[in-house]
Amino acid sequence: DIQMTQSPASLSASLEEIVTITCQASQDIGNWLAWYQQKPGKSPQLLIYGATSLADGVPSRFSGSRSGTQYSLKISRLQVEDIGIYYCQQASSAWTFGGGTKLELK
Amino acid sequence: EVQLQESGPGLVKPSQSLSLTCSVTGYSITSNYWGWIRKFPGNKMEWMGYISYSGSTSYNPSLKSRISITRDTSKNQFFLQLNSVTTEDTATYYCARQLYLRYFDYWGQGVMVTVSS
Repeated sequence: DIQMTQSPASLSASLEEIVTITCQASQDIGNWLAWYQQKPGKSPQLLIYGATSLADGVPSRFSGSRSGTQYSLKISRLQVEDIGIYYCQQASSAWTFGGGTKLELK
Repeated sequence: EVQLQESGPGLVKPSQSLSLTCSVTGYSITSNYWGWIRKFPGNKMEWMGYISYSGSTSYNPSLKSRISITRDTSKNQFFLQLNSVTTEDTATYYCARQLYLRYFDYWGQGVMVTVSS
């Protein structure tokens, strides 16, 4: 099984701050990676797919990148509505999720 | 607009079967792939399995002996059955469209299932 190690597990940041969350894949998954946002009380929402492509309707302050087997989600200017839990998910071999990052406001 | 909604009992006794329904509107389940994912207390997410546009299925090996996913195309619904549940199966269960087998782009609102006597 492909393991996705996500960090940090929790993160406290200020409004307008740049936030970065990373996922390390245990083996090569190419660009088969997605990021999801789950707001409190809501179901997960697809943010990024193909490691770098923005899903429909997602604000441009969200971006994804890849360096080898490390993947990053960047929020360029944190907004109140960005608070929630973020997950990465690999789609190369079966489907596994990272452990999640809980993003809170400082 | 594609919409999914889970339904089923919120409480199941240990050793019994968990049965959930996912009702889909705005898109036919005879296209694409349709999955079940669960989120445990503590936030761990697990893909459970899918049923395809043709009715073929694939399951997480960790569940393979206990899980069954079926469908009723006339009602545009698909179903999850998980047998011999234990307290470890307590989770929020989501159905989702598994877009071209890769990503989950539409989700239901989730149903919390507690396994307890």
